[in-house]
Amino acid sequence: KAGVTQTPRYLIKTRGQQVTLSCSPISGHRSVSWYQQTPGQGLQFLFEYFSETQRNKGNFPGRFSGRQFSNSRSEMNVSTLELGDSALYLCASSLEGGLKETQYFGPGTRLLVL
Amino acid sequence: AQSVTQLDSHVSVSEGTPVLLRCNYSSSYSPSLFWYVQHPNKGLQLLLKYTSAATLVKGINGFEAEFKKSETSFHLTKPSAHMSDAAEYFCAGGYQKVTFGTGTKLQVIP
Repeated sequence: KAGVTQTPRYLIKTRGQQVTLSCSPISGHRSVSWYQQTPGQGLQFLFEYFSETQRNKGNFPGRFSGRQFSNSRSEMNVSTLELGDSALYLCASSLEGGLKETQYFGPGTRLLVL
Repeated sequence: AQSVTQLDSHVSVSEGTPVLLRCNYSSSYSPSLFWYVQHPNKGLQLLLKYTSAATLVKGINGFEAEFKKSETSFHLTKPSAHMSDAAEYFCAGGYQKVTFGTGTKLQVIP
């Protein structure tokens, strides 16, 4: 079974631009979660999608948004990029998204904002 | 509030010696707890998880962790470190949503 894939793997943007990241979960997984990882703040939960609906949300500004498609693939969008948005963005999938389930992580998208 | 705290940001051990990575949790309820490993430029890989079954949890690559409610701890151990264990380790857990600790970088000295 193929693992979680994320595209692109690396991205360079400038302040004020917007960016869209993509995540394809493991086949059969309906829950997709997004995390931001930075050296200063560590791993922070952005949001979780399940069956095309946002089910949980972390404490990030509205510039961060996401969506999930009927095939469970998910996209994350960041508008009006700031320097502080430079980070590794990780996507994780699980079957139903329950807390006791194992989350499988993708390799991440490394975003650099100049 | 629920959170996990990793007590050490860096741990250094010699190859062949035991590994201990410490994690305490704070939760009003019995949490689900996880340990993940992250190698450079890679995503996180689950080592093991505790979901209120056996308190001693065995994971992959010889790692195990013991849930101790009296100490609110979930420390990760391995009897003998291998060079390939050098990585960053994250404790995670929660009741309604998962929060991650700040990570412990494990250095293995040959």
